[in-house]
Amino acid sequence: EPEVTQTPSHQVTQMGQEVILRCVPISNHLYFYWYRQILGQKVEFLVSFYNNEISEKSEIFDDQFSVERPDGSNFTLKIRSTKLEDSAMYFCASSAAGVYEQYFGPGTRLTVT
Amino acid sequence: GENVEQHPSTLSVQEGDSAVIKCTYSDSASNYFPWYKQELGKGPQLIIDIRSNVGEKKDQRIAVTLNKTAKHFSLHITETQPEDSAVYFCAALTGGFKTIFGAGTRLFVKA
Repeated sequence: EPEVTQTPSHQVTQMGQEVILRCVPISNHLYFYWYRQILGQKVEFLVSFYNNEISEKSEIFDDQFSVERPDGSNFTLKIRSTKLEDSAMYFCASSAAGVYEQYFGPGTRLTVT
Repeated sequence: GENVEQHPSTLSVQEGDSAVIKCTYSDSASNYFPWYKQELGKGPQLIIDIRSNVGEKKDQRIAVTLNKTAKHFSLHITETQPEDSAVYFCAALTGGFKTIFGAGTRLFVKA
């Protein structure tokens, strides 16, 4: 069964450093998403992406964040200058055209020290 | 802004009993309501969903009901098993692409 994959599984970085989180969505999906989950809290929407453009973003997704689909398979989330409060699980998700169902990857745990 | 409230935060049931988790949403334009199961160290897994033009949907031991007038929707798990133990999240799709999650319910099924 096709699945969303994410790398790395765990990323440790120092405050102020840039990080790039990588995702490979399901191959025939056209809509891509990033979410975050601070430990013990709810899953929060960050951004959706379609046709090489951001479709919608939350207030969390400020100028420090950017997304990119650099090639036909990868979808990345970049945080330019990490803060302690960026420590969280980051989940990538994807969905096919014309359907609502989103399929989530296993997540990347980001720890900012 | 958009919000999804979920109750209870913790639910403990005996194996074989039923479990019910309830959610309310604030945005009357929401049109899609998925439920996710999250096991420790894993991403949310879609287990069932319902669209706003349907009142009830069932898949084996899992059912979801939606009351659009009251802006309530609920997850029902019957004949619970220990492997049902996990955190369950309700969610609502508002606008085109933004999914708002509830705070989650930690379900314990005691053998």
